[in-house]
Amino acid sequence: DAGITQSPRYKITETGRQVTLMCHQTWSHSYMFWYRQDLGHGLRLIYYSAAADITDKGEVPDGYVVSRSKTENFPLTLESATRSQTSVYFCASSVRGSNEQYFGPGTRLTVT
Amino acid sequence: AQSVTQLGSHVSVSEGALVLLRCNYSSSVPPYLFWYVQYPNQGLQLLLKYTTGATLVKGINGFEAEFKKSETSFHLTKPSAHMSDAAEYFCAVSEQDSSASKIIFGSGTRLSIRP
Repeated sequence: DAGITQSPRYKITETGRQVTLMCHQTWSHSYMFWYRQDLGHGLRLIYYSAAADITDKGEVPDGYVVSRSKTENFPLTLESATRSQTSVYFCASSVRGSNEQYFGPGTRLTVT
Repeated sequence: AQSVTQLGSHVSVSEGALVLLRCNYSSSVPPYLFWYVQYPNQGLQLLLKYTTGATLVKGINGFEAEFKKSETSFHLTKPSAHMSDAAEYFCAVSEQDSSASKIIFGSGTRLSIRP
């Protein structure tokens, strides 16, 4: 049972480049979430999805794009990476109505 | 709007001592409350949660938390700290009966254990 996985685990990219972070879950959970974790800010919600083809903005969506063509995948794309997007990114999923989220291991992204 | 405040970004206790991590929340509707733990280089794991019913909630690894509505608090405690408890702890809140399943996290408290 793989659960929820993220790839890559570590990524270094340059300012202005497009980067896609992948998230895959094997539980068929309805909801999926993307957070970024920065020192002093805890976790901040970037985007979330209630089901395939349904996405909505979170607290800090600017500079990010998401899609969800399949229930199990929820990729996050930085269209033109900036240094301020250097962070650790976590994907999570939950069953509808549960309010309990299950987290992936994270992707550490560095933008130079 | 909901919010969470964790008092103290860093707490240090001696092994065997009481652990107390403070969390206060703000919510206009009945909340669900959570504590998550994050070990180094890992994702977050659910430690315990309050939904309804008993206000004293027991979680994994000997941790517990008490929901105090009058104080809008949900402090996390453990009677005797162990070296393996060193981690980052996050308090979180969400709305009951919300279909959105969104959670608001506090800024985290790093727990260090002194030998």
